[in-house]
Amino acid sequence: EDQVTQSPEALRLQEGESSSLNCSYTVSGLRGLFWYRQDPGKGPEFLFTLYSAGEEKEKERLKATLTKKESFLHITAPKPEDSATYLCAVQAGSARQLTFGSGTQLTVLP
Amino acid sequence: DGGITQSPKYLFRKEGQNVTLSCEQNLNHDAMYWYRQDPGQGLRLIYYSQIVNDFQKGDIAEGYSVSREKKESFPLTVTSAQKNPTAFYLCASSNQGEFGTEAFFGQGTRLTVV
Repeated sequence: EDQVTQSPEALRLQEGESSSLNCSYTVSGLRGLFWYRQDPGKGPEFLFTLYSAGEEKEKERLKATLTKKESFLHITAPKPEDSATYLCAVQAGSARQLTFGSGTQLTVLP
Repeated sequence: DGGITQSPKYLFRKEGQNVTLSCEQNLNHDAMYWYRQDPGQGLRLIYYSQIVNDFQKGDIAEGYSVSREKKESFPLTVTSAQKNPTAFYLCASSNQGEFGTEAFFGQGTRLTVV
């Protein structure tokens, strides 16, 4: 059974204080690892797809990396508008659907 | 604009009542999904459909039913058999052709039992 574990559950940062969110996964045959951002009361917004170990993708202050066991979402010099819940999901084996972690709730204080 | 539309945004259900949540997409995606989100538990898969007139149960299908009569539409019915229906429901769609294809989500329906 595919498992996705995100840590920490919650993270509070001061504006400009860089940090990383972790997504550990146990799957058979990773097809893709996905990062989403979710604001309160809204649907998840797609951020990145990573396919193979060593791959990196960047978007503004966010950078996602992938190893064979985990993915990191690095946030550089965050701003209050980066506050949200960040979700990690995997697609593996013959399954088309995504398996999600429980998310990391990020709060960036001004 | 292309996207996924869920309605209504808020829905209230009385005990013993069936309710239907609407999901429409104009992205020309073959696959559609329903997820349930509870606080602190992430998203759990209820049902998914890879093609019209076909759908499969997800991890928590008990008490729910779906139909896929049109490519654009994938309504979810929460039946009276679902004992704890209060949750945030999310519909998503994706291209079917390749693995590793991201899913796009609607804005959700918040269902509350009154």
